[in-house]
Amino acid sequence: SQTIHQWPATLVQPVGSPLSLECTVEGTSNPNLYWYRQAAGRGLQLLFYSVGIGQISSEVPQNLSASRPQDRQFILSSKKLLLSDSGFYLCAWSVPPLTGDFGPGTRLLVL
Amino acid sequence: AQSVTQLDSHVSVSEGTPVLLRCNYSSSYSPSLFWYVQHPNKGLQLLLKYTSAATLVKGINGFEAEFKKSETSFHLTKPSAHMSDAAEYFCVATSGTYKYIFGTGTRLKVLA
Repeated sequence: SQTIHQWPATLVQPVGSPLSLECTVEGTSNPNLYWYRQAAGRGLQLLFYSVGIGQISSEVPQNLSASRPQDRQFILSSKKLLLSDSGFYLCAWSVPPLTGDFGPGTRLLVL
Repeated sequence: AQSVTQLDSHVSVSEGTPVLLRCNYSSSYSPSLFWYVQHPNKGLQLLLKYTSAATLVKGINGFEAEFKKSETSFHLTKPSAHMSDAAEYFCVATSGTYKYIFGTGTRLKVLA
């Protein structure tokens, strides 16, 4: 069966510091991978998705970036965090036309 | 464009009474539809999903949802609310590129 991992679970970072969140998927090959963000009191917003290694599509402009160095690894990064980057970050996978799942999430607080 | 609308941002019910969380979707083709629950400071947990099989879908914890194509709805119901059901619920659809499209969420409050 497939499993999806995210780390860290919780992160507190100062404004202006870099960020790296990692997501890995086990038990499947060539999945679509996604990064979502949930800001406080709001719904989930798609940030990036990837249909293959090195292929990244951005849904909204921001100071975040994503990379997919391996088939089942998806990384969310920032060079300089902003206060507005605080939120709950969810990684997800899918293998069309089958469904996928969401990771446990990373709660990021930027101070 | 595909979209998901959750008609109520907050729903309050008394313990033991029925729950109805409403969701409408717009899509040019038959989507896959899901309901997820998120408890405070937790990740998303899948309650149930519809993927073009039976229109009445049964999920975990006594929840079920009915896909009505004519009404483009996928409402979530439960016959009797429990205190542990208090959480935020998200209706989700998949798009043509299999991206997950989220509704804005419904916060369910269960009163003792």
